[in-house]
Amino acid sequence: DVKVTQSSRYLVKRTGEKVFLECVQDMDHENMFWYRQDPGLGLRLIYFSYDVKMKEKGDIPEGYSVSREKKERFSLILESASTNQTSMYLCASSLVGGAWPQHFGDGTRLSIL
Amino acid sequence: ILNVEQSPQSLHVQEGDSTNFTCSFPSSNFYALHWYRWETAKSPEALFVMTLNGDEKKKGRISATLNTKEGYSYLYIKGSQPEDSATYLCAFHNAGNNRKLIWGLGTSLAVNP
Repeated sequence: DVKVTQSSRYLVKRTGEKVFLECVQDMDHENMFWYRQDPGLGLRLIYFSYDVKMKEKGDIPEGYSVSREKKERFSLILESASTNQTSMYLCASSLVGGAWPQHFGDGTRLSIL
Repeated sequence: ILNVEQSPQSLHVQEGDSTNFTCSFPSSNFYALHWYRWETAKSPEALFVMTLNGDEKKKGRISATLNTKEGYSYLYIKGSQPEDSATYLCAFHNAGNNRKLIWGLGTSLAVNP
């Protein structure tokens, strides 16, 4: 069974902290994605990666960076957390080269105090 | 700007009712149309990926149709059950940039027993 695992279900951090959200997939997928979901705004793409060490900005990359050192792991980094980054963060992965569905993790609900 | 719209925003039905909702998307540069179900406290789950005009897909009591020329897709649920309560998301896969999806805001369905 396919599996996308996010390191934390709930996380509370302080303003100004550097925050790491980790995502691991076991399906050998090339594509990996980081989204945030806020009420009334739907799923918004932060960054995605289509290969190891490759990344592309999504629609709202400001204040975030990513790292993909290994194919199975995609990390989202909040360089200096701010209260407006309080949100639900979802990681997803998919195969490349066709109309493949995305497989999602359970999400991390991040609160920045 | 590519836009995906879903209607209605929310829906309350009685157990046993059949229901349907709509996803509208750009009719040009079509690559694929995705449907996902997102239950509370769970991760979004892919229902269908549709690529051909006139496509009809079915999974149990849930089915979907696709009209790429006019830019819409319908999702039907026959004989709704309380476990169908979820947010149903559609996402447009653009041929111009087929690495990422453009998401609608979803239709929230509540099925009352």
